[in-house]
Amino acid sequence: AQSVSQHNHHVILSEAASLELGCNYSYGGTVNLFWYVQYPGQHLQLLLKYFSGDPLVKGIKGFEAEFIKSKFSFNLRKPSVQWSDTAEYFCAVNSPRYGGATNKLIFGTGTLLAVQP
Amino acid sequence: ETGVTQSPTHLIKTRGQQVTLRCSSQSGHNTVSWYQQALGQGPQFIFQYYREEENGRGNFPPRFSGLQFPNYSSELNVNALELDDSALYLCASSLSPEHNEQFFGPGTRLTVL
Repeated sequence: AQSVSQHNHHVILSEAASLELGCNYSYGGTVNLFWYVQYPGQHLQLLLKYFSGDPLVKGIKGFEAEFIKSKFSFNLRKPSVQWSDTAEYFCAVNSPRYGGATNKLIFGTGTLLAVQP
Repeated sequence: ETGVTQSPTHLIKTRGQQVTLRCSSQSGHNTVSWYQQALGQGPQFIFQYYREEENGRGNFPPRFSGLQFPNYSSELNVNALELDDSALYLCASSLSPEHNEQFFGPGTRLTVL
């Protein structure tokens, strides 16, 4: 079955520390990749997405992610986190091959990031 | 531009009851997907509606059903509620089933006692 794995369930960092959250997926073929963020009490928001082209994508709020096809990975990075980055982060994938007629997303289990001031 | 809205925000039901959740899609979006997010889990795809018909379904039993209306808004109905149905139910809309980006609503928190 298709799946998305996020290796870190809870991450605690101090402000200004660097962040890398891992994401691996189990699909072959063409995939579209996403990172969503859910701030406390707010709805899921798109951080960044990769459809094709440059495998290093930049998103909002200084986040970036690198698609490494050979490793089936799409890790999220930020050079220096802020207290306001405290949130839950979800990696998601969709695939024309596995979605059928839909653009359904397959999500990882999420990583809860706590940034200490 | 109005985003995706959902109602109600919170709901408490007892086992065996039925519930209806509502979603209004973002302006210009004709496709609505529903997801269930259990505590500590990522959202799981329930089904998608397009042109007022179910366009695809995840691994959920038939007691989960839906509707889409001509204005593209949608309802999720769950019959014979079970304790494990307690979750955050998310609605997402997109320009079409082929359009890869989905926009999520704030969700409805359902608690089944």
